[in-house]
Amino acid sequence: NAGVTQTPKFQVLKTGQSMTLQCAQDMNHEYMSWYRQDPGMGLRLIHYSVGAGITDQGEVPNGYNVSRSTTEDFPLRLLSAAPSQTSVYFCASSYRGGGPQHFGDGTRLSIL
Amino acid sequence: GQQLNQSPQSMFIQEGEDVSMNCTSSSIFNTWLWYKQDPGEGPVLLIALYKAGELTSNGRLTAQFGITRKDSFLNISASIPSDVGIYFCAGQLFKAAGNKLTFGGGTRVLVKP
Repeated sequence: NAGVTQTPKFQVLKTGQSMTLQCAQDMNHEYMSWYRQDPGMGLRLIHYSVGAGITDQGEVPNGYNVSRSTTEDFPLRLLSAAPSQTSVYFCASSYRGGGPQHFGDGTRLSIL
Repeated sequence: GQQLNQSPQSMFIQEGEDVSMNCTSSSIFNTWLWYKQDPGEGPVLLIALYKAGELTSNGRLTAQFGITRKDSFLNISASIPSDVGIYFCAGQLFKAAGNKLTFGGGTRVLVKP
């Protein structure tokens, strides 16, 4: 059972570079979300999607873009990376009808 | 925005001890969740609470949804070395858009040297 799969697991970028963090789920979940985790702050919601073609902003959306062209995939894009975006990024998915979110293993991103 | 205060921030455990951590909010939630995160992995759900006053167990773990809906606690009985990790509480509002969660800052559980 794959669940929620995130790639890459680690990445180092230079300031100003762009990249896309990939997230895929095989549970046919309608809802998908991106969180970032910083020391002592728990996880904070960046963007989320309630279905293909529908996305919305979370608590800390600045500097990130998302799209949801399929139910399975929810990529997170950094258009111009900044050191403040150094963090661990988690993707999560859940059923529309409620219930807990299932998390991937994270992408550890460092921006120099 | 809503904030969850989780305490303690860290604790040391000795095998066999009972440990407790709690989470408080400035506003109410309809669902409380407790997750555990091991190094290099994502959070894994331990217990979900859906009703005020609810007391739920999962093996050696027990969690309660506070009557005011503004707090929750998690107890671990007879701790073992694999209980080490970071525990997060999370709150969710009824029919929250995207099922989004608000997380506490985490409690880091470590083994006494």
